[in-house]
Amino acid sequence: GNSVTQMEGPVTLSEEAFLTINCTYTATGYPSLFWYVQYPGEGLQLLLKATKADDKGSNKGFEATYRKETTSFHLEKGSVQVSDSAVYFCALTRGGSARQLTFGSGTQLTVLP
Amino acid sequence: DADVTQTPRNRITKTGKRIMLECSQTKGHDRMYWYRQDPGLGLRLIYYSFDVKDINKGEISDGYSVSRQAQAKFSLSLESAIPNQTALYFCATSDQEASYNEQFFGPGTRLTVL
Repeated sequence: GNSVTQMEGPVTLSEEAFLTINCTYTATGYPSLFWYVQYPGEGLQLLLKATKADDKGSNKGFEATYRKETTSFHLEKGSVQVSDSAVYFCALTRGGSARQLTFGSGTQLTVLP
Repeated sequence: DADVTQTPRNRITKTGKRIMLECSQTKGHDRMYWYRQDPGLGLRLIYYSFDVKDINKGEISDGYSVSRQAQAKFSLSLESAIPNQTALYFCATSDQEASYNEQFFGPGTRLTVL
């Protein structure tokens, strides 16, 4: 079956530091890949996506590249801000009628001023 | 106004009680989902519905039931709550016309079963 593995947190960084959150997946076929973000007290919201190999998703300074050869979708940001403090979830969905999302366990990021 | 709303936002109940969590959406989406979130486990799918007449079990449906009263409403029930159902519950929606399955989440219901 499908699965998503994320680096364990929590991750604590100083403002303006470089961020990488690792994500690898197991799935048959060609899944679509996502990063969702959950700010304190809120529901999840889509941060970025990539729907085919070598696609790069980007939003709000965050980027992730769909690497089929390494089955990875690592999240990166060059300079984090305090407002980026949140929980980040990697997720995948396969095509077809089901299209259920499979989530990783989430990574808590705290950015200190 | 929020597109996906959940009521209540917080609930404390006792073992054996029946609980209903409600979800409403104004996005016009046909697909709706219920997840639970536990620390270190991410989100796990409980039930999903692709239209009013279509209900499907997810990964962890035991102990839960759902009702799709209308396209915009999807309720989750715990017939006899137990302490290990203490969790954060999220409703989500998606559009079947989308080429990928972006889901839109409500703010969550924090349920505590004593």
